[in-house]
Amino acid sequence: GAVVSQHPSRVICKSGTSVKIECRSLDFQATTMFWYRQFPKKSLMLMATSNEGSKATYEQGVEKDKFLINHASLTLSTLTVTSAHPEDSSFYICGTSGGTDTQYFGPGTRLTVL
Amino acid sequence: EDQVTQSPEALRLQEGESSSLNCSYTVSGLRGLFWYRQDPGKGPEFLFTLYSAGEEKEKERLKATLTKKESFLHITAPKPEDSATYLCAAFNAGNNRKLIWGLGTSLAVNP
Repeated sequence: GAVVSQHPSRVICKSGTSVKIECRSLDFQATTMFWYRQFPKKSLMLMATSNEGSKATYEQGVEKDKFLINHASLTLSTLTVTSAHPEDSSFYICGTSGGTDTQYFGPGTRLTVL
Repeated sequence: EDQVTQSPEALRLQEGESSSLNCSYTVSGLRGLFWYRQDPGKGPEFLFTLYSAGEEKEKERLKATLTKKESFLHITAPKPEDSATYLCAAFNAGNNRKLIWGLGTSLAVNP
């Protein structure tokens, strides 16, 4: 399977600050990247879908000005949580697709906002 | 509304005790179905993709099957390292590859 990395794996920040999470596809070109958040004992909730070089498509209820997504290359996508608040604390996971149906996922980033 | 339901919610097995996990779906225009394994604090790890009824895929102690209404993940002679949450996700022809997720089955295999 494809190898996907995320950085950082864990981040703690103060309320009001911004946090950037990187997602990299290490051994293939990810034409489409997905950003999910996952709450404890819940399934993955899709936040947005992005195609390389295009603006991200956000799911209903997800604030695009709060969760900024950049997919500037075929191997890198970033999610920036702006002005983070405690309710943004969650497990964020990126998914990648290289043009096939299969999504490969990163190891996730645990965000804690104090 | 498209929906994926997994059962049981949790399953505890003794090492070597075979069993099956169920994923039932109601998805219009189903294109395929995925099985993933997720360990605590990690992202999902891809296991199988199934596209058509009657299809079977195998990997080590795991075998996935698909019918027109459900999919099964059979675990033969499980080991403690098979303990994880197993997630099922379906996708249809449209929707820009958006997956419809089940809530998962949490499997614990005791030595």
